[in-house]
Formats: sequence, C-alpha cells, structure tokens
Amino acid sequence: KAGVTQTPRYLIKTRGQQVTLSCSPISGHRSVSWYQQTPGQGLQFLFEYFSETQRNKGNFPGRFSGRQFSNSRSEMNVSTLELGDSALYLCASRRTENTGELFFGEGSRLTVL
Amino acid sequence: AQSVTQLGSHVSVSEGALVLLRCNYSSSVPPYLFWYVQYPNQGLQLLLKYTSAATLVKGINGFEAEFKKSETSFHLTKPSAHMSDAAEYFCAVRRKDSSYKLIFGSGTRLLVRP
Repeated sequence: KAGVTQTPRYLIKTRGQQVTLSCSPISGHRSVSWYQQTPGQGLQFLFEYFSETQRNKGNFPGRFSGRQFSNSRSEMNVSTLELGDSALYLCASRRTENTGELFFGEGSRLTVL
Repeated sequence: AQSVTQLGSHVSVSEGALVLLRCNYSSSVPPYLFWYVQYPNQGLQLLLKYTSAATLVKGINGFEAEFKKSETSFHLTKPSAHMSDAAEYFCAVRRKDSSYKLIFGSGTRLLVRP
C-alpha cells in the first residue's frame, strides 16, 4: 500500500512569490492534515480537511490556505512568501475512526530567499 | 489548553543501554497520546499510541510507553539502545473529540554512542 506522497520534496522561492504544495493521501483515507515544522517553532498544525471541507485550522495568517479535492488529494498554498515561511511542510492522512492515527509523508522542504 | 513538555532536547546513551525519553502532558481529561520518530530528511513515523485501553503500550522497534494519569506522564522507554535508534522523537497529544489536531512537544534528539 502506497504511503502519503508529497510533491515537490524540495523547492526554493524568493520573497513575495507564492507556492503550492501537493499531498496524495493513502488510498481510502479521507482526511488530510498539514503541519509546519521549523527549528524555532517546532511542529505546528496548519489545517485539516475531510471530504473536501476544512474541519480545523491552526493559528496561521490568511496567506496560508488549502483545499481538498474529491479524490482526497490536497494542496496547500502560501502567498506572498516571507523568509520565515522556510520550513518543512508535512502532510498526514488518517482513516476515519476516532482513534485513527496520522500517517505522515516525507514532507516538502521550502526555502525562501 | 493542551500542551506537551518533553524534558531534554538531547539525550545521549551508549549502545545497549536503557533509553528513557520523558513526556508530560497538560490536559483537563486524559487525551490520546502518541510517540513519533523522525529520521533525517524524513517525515514522522508512529511508534505507539495510547487510546485509554492498556496503560502500558508496546510499539514498534522494541519501544514501549506507560501512561500514568497521576503524574500526567507518557514516558518512552527501550531496554537496549541500538545505533539505528538515533533520531528525533516527538510526543504528541490529541483531545478525545472530533478535533484531530495534534499538539506536539518540542522533540528530543536521541544520540547513541557506540
């Protein structure tokens, strides 16, 4: 069974640009969450989508947005990039039962210059 | 509000020695608790989880953790460290409601000396 797939794995952008990251969940998983990981702030929750609806959102500015498609694939977008947006962005998917654990992808490492 | 505290940003042990990584949580009711491991340039892999069944939870790679409500702790242990255990370990908590947001600790980097 294929795991969570994130693309691209690495990317470099400049300040002011925007970026779109993609996540394909494990087959059959309908929930996708996004986390930002930085050395200073650690792992922080961005948002969660279930059946194309945003269920929960973390404390990030409106420049961070996401969406989920009918096939459960998800994208997140960051507009007007800032240096502080440099991070590893992790996507995770889960089954629907209440104790469902999160399965993480390998992440997309974004560097903003 | 929920929070997770991991004592020690770095822990160093000798190969074959006991591994003990500490995690304390703050929650009004016992939450779900998780330990994840992250190897360099990789995502997070679940080691084990506590979901209010047995308080002693066994995970992969010989790791286990014990939920102690009185101490609000969920420490991770392994009897004998292996070189391949060198990685960063994260404790996480989640409320037992419809929110699937994980609150992570700051992580503990485990170093294993030969």
